[in-house]
Amino acid sequence: AQKITQTQPGMFVQEKEAVTLDCTYDTSDQSYGLFWYKQPSSGEMIFLIYQGSYDEQNATEGRYSLNFQKARKSANLVISASQLGDSAMYFCAMRADNYGQNFVFGPGTRLSVLP
Amino acid sequence: NAGVTQTPKFQVLKTGQSMTLQCAQDMNHNSMYWYRQDPGMGLRLIYYSASEGTTDKGEVPNGYNVSRLNKREFSLRLESAAPSQTSVYFCASSDHRTTFLSPLHFGNGTRLTVT
Repeated sequence: AQKITQTQPGMFVQEKEAVTLDCTYDTSDQSYGLFWYKQPSSGEMIFLIYQGSYDEQNATEGRYSLNFQKARKSANLVISASQLGDSAMYFCAMRADNYGQNFVFGPGTRLSVLP
Repeated sequence: NAGVTQTPKFQVLKTGQSMTLQCAQDMNHNSMYWYRQDPGMGLRLIYYSASEGTTDKGEVPNGYNVSRLNKREFSLRLESAAPSQTSVYFCASSDHRTTFLSPLHFGNGTRLTVT
């Protein structure tokens, strides 16, 4: 079975500081991808970053980076230099190559950036 | 480039009424999805369509039907709405022809309330 765990229901961070949002996953597949999405209060789902299981280097996209630790089955999202606009729900998701078309999502972490 | 467009944005139904949620994408993606989002549960897959002419059940298909009208359009129908179907519904698309690491692209969501 595929499962995503996000153990932090809510997080606070001071503006301009870095923050790490945790994500652990469970899969027996060797080939899979991990994805992070942002959902602001307006409701839309915004794709941020992804990491393939065979990628040796951690993915980065601007202020977002993915701290991928395969042996620990974790794929934490790191946001550097937090901005007020980063306040949102963040979802970790996984898709395994042998798991058909489904993306499995975690329950999300609500991040609040304080001025 | 509109991406994924879903309508309506809001809908209130009485128990037993029916309705169809419409979704269209202009990114030439082969795969389309319907998810529902409930508090604390992340997103759960209702149905998906890997390609034009095919549809498959996801994690929570009961009470729903879908139609992949053509490559662009994928509709979700509630035949007899129930209060348990109160949720936010997202349509999404992706292009998995070359890699399963293609992310989901979401519409803006439909907030449905069944009274």
